[in-house]
Amino acid sequence: GQQLNQSPQSMFIQEGEDVSMNCTSSSIFNTWLWYKQDPGEGPVLLIALYKAGELTSNGRLTAQFGITRKDSFLNISASIPSDVGIYFCAGQLLETSGSRLTFGEGTQLTVNP
Amino acid sequence: DTGVSQNPRHKITKRGQNVTFRCDPISEHNRLYWYRQTLGQGPEFLTYFQNEAQLEKSRLLSDRFSAERPKGSFSTLEIQRTEQGDSAMYLCASSESAYNEQFFGPGTRLTVL
Repeated sequence: GQQLNQSPQSMFIQEGEDVSMNCTSSSIFNTWLWYKQDPGEGPVLLIALYKAGELTSNGRLTAQFGITRKDSFLNISASIPSDVGIYFCAGQLLETSGSRLTFGEGTQLTVNP
Repeated sequence: DTGVSQNPRHKITKRGQNVTFRCDPISEHNRLYWYRQTLGQGPEFLTYFQNEAQLEKSRLLSDRFSAERPKGSFSTLEIQRTEQGDSAMYLCASSESAYNEQFFGPGTRLTVL
């Protein structure tokens, strides 16, 4: 089945620094999604990408859908303490996997004030 | 609040007991999904509904698990004869269609003693 490799597993940064994380897949997706999850809560959608090569921003967040359709990255600029949490990428391929999302294992972000 | 809601938020049960969780999707969302998340991992797909029809089930959904969406609105997930390995966060998500983003609820944390 499809597998997503998400890296890095964890990051420790200072407030104000920029952050970059990425996901790679063994096979293609036609949708990439990025979620943030706080302890004890469900994932919250940050950005959705629907087209290869697409670059989308949401405030300080920027994400791109790789042109090979096998990868995506998420950048966070000028990090603040409330950015702390676990960030997940998720891919979807309707043609073969229906509506199910396949998730990466997450990137744990710690921001030191 | 018009987001996805789940009840209960926490459930502690003894091994062998049956448990039932409820999910109320975003109003007018046709698709409803169940995922399971264990500590340190991303969510894993269990099953999904298009209106009241259950269209896909994961191999993770053993015969002790059953999900229903009788009127195409809320859904229930029942686990019979719970095992310690069933301890996890059970997440529900909904979307307008197969082509739209999935929005998650806060989850139900199950602990099997």
